[in-house]
Amino acid sequence: GAVVSQHPSWVICKSGTSVKIECRSLDFQATTMFWYRQFPKQSLMLMATSNEGSKATYEQGVEKDKFLINHASLTLSTLTVTSAHPEDSSFYICSAREFSASGYTFGSGTRLTVV
Amino acid sequence: AQSVTQPDIHITVSEGASLELRCNYSYGATPYLFWYVQSPGQGLQLLLKYFSGDTLVQGIKGFEAEFKRSQSSFNLRKPSVHWSDAAEYFCAVGVNSGGYQKVTFGIGTKLQVIP
Repeated sequence: GAVVSQHPSWVICKSGTSVKIECRSLDFQATTMFWYRQFPKQSLMLMATSNEGSKATYEQGVEKDKFLINHASLTLSTLTVTSAHPEDSSFYICSAREFSASGYTFGSGTRLTVV
Repeated sequence: AQSVTQPDIHITVSEGASLELRCNYSYGATPYLFWYVQSPGQGLQLLLKYFSGDTLVQGIKGFEAEFKRSQSSFNLRKPSVHWSDAAEYFCAVGVNSGGYQKVTFGIGTKLQVIP
């Protein structure tokens, strides 16, 4: 079945630095990938839709200059949290859908802690 | 816009007992409906989905869900819960938007299984 790999699983960074999270579709091509953020004891909130070869589409309230998304190939999307602050600490999850599939496959998530 | 309501934030059941997790959605037409499970610190795994056809959907791990249009509900059920079912369960609604599905998640129901 479709597999989505997300890396890293855990990351701790200092306030003011930038962190890059990778999302790869291992055995299928994904023209569209999605990035979600999950706060403790809350649901997943869609941050942005990553489109291969074009600009990402951000949800209302999400700062596009802070959360940089690059979808340079059909199997890789990256989310860069720039100038991270403690309030950016969260669980970030990506997802993608294989063309012939009817459901979405999620990555295992990235726990970001900004100190 | 679509929305998803999971009225039970936390449920505790005894091992071997039956389980029903409630989900109600709001959307003008019949959406795509999903149930996902998330273990602590992990990504999401698709349990089952409904697009059309038979309103009783069978999923993995012995779960099933029934779509009831009149009640705008898509409740998840399992006849006999196992300790390994303890996790957080998310109901989700997908609607077509700009050439892809936009998925909205409920807040989640945390399931605790006691011996």
